[in-house]
Amino acid sequence: DTEVTQTPKHLVMGMTNKKSLKCEQHMGHRAMYWYKQKAKKPPELMFVYSYEKLSINESVPSRFSPECPNSSLLNLHLHALQPEDSALYLCASSQDHRDNQPQHFGDGTRLSIL
Amino acid sequence: GNSVTQMEGPVTLSEEAFLTINCTYTATGYPSLFWYVQYPGEGLQLLLKATKADDKGSNKGFEATYRKETTSFHLEKGSVQVSDSAVYFCALSSASKIIFGSGTRLSIRP
Repeated sequence: DTEVTQTPKHLVMGMTNKKSLKCEQHMGHRAMYWYKQKAKKPPELMFVYSYEKLSINESVPSRFSPECPNSSLLNLHLHALQPEDSALYLCASSQDHRDNQPQHFGDGTRLSIL
Repeated sequence: GNSVTQMEGPVTLSEEAFLTINCTYTATGYPSLFWYVQYPGEGLQLLLKATKADDKGSNKGFEATYRKETTSFHLEKGSVQVSDSAVYFCALSSASKIIFGSGTRLSIRP
């Protein structure tokens, strides 16, 4: 069992839909991350939140909108996605943003865009 | 810029064989180094880490030593099991980001 919980595990949506991915951790971590992982590729960083503030946006298209309502929750709002956005979306957290802190990953949401 | 290079897979071994997965890195400063493992249908799990030169990380029989002189962090295990079949990612952490290698798929035959 992972300590980072992501819901839903699977999501199928059309290109005109609006949906949200959710991530929750109760380890008291103050840094949280969203990654996108395509098949047979490493995860690619999308966003970093540090102390509930967005600190890194890796030039992600605006159809992906992150939100950090509190220190335990991280959402990723999706709107007007494209077929190439189909991927595994991973959430991670770490104690803080210092480089020697390992990240703890959830099992991901597998997203399919029709 | 910072980067991680790891050996191409897939790697197929028989049970109880010795494992080495090579990893080298390019980085400014003194990054922390990690090995993550991803089992089918799951997220990544931290396998081991090292935060400074000559540190040895170890976990579940796996080991890796942070070698600054060769900029390497090779993963080793003396006797692999079928349950070790997974994808292994070498990674470095710098400026609040983790940079992953391309991943090495490991398959262990009974």
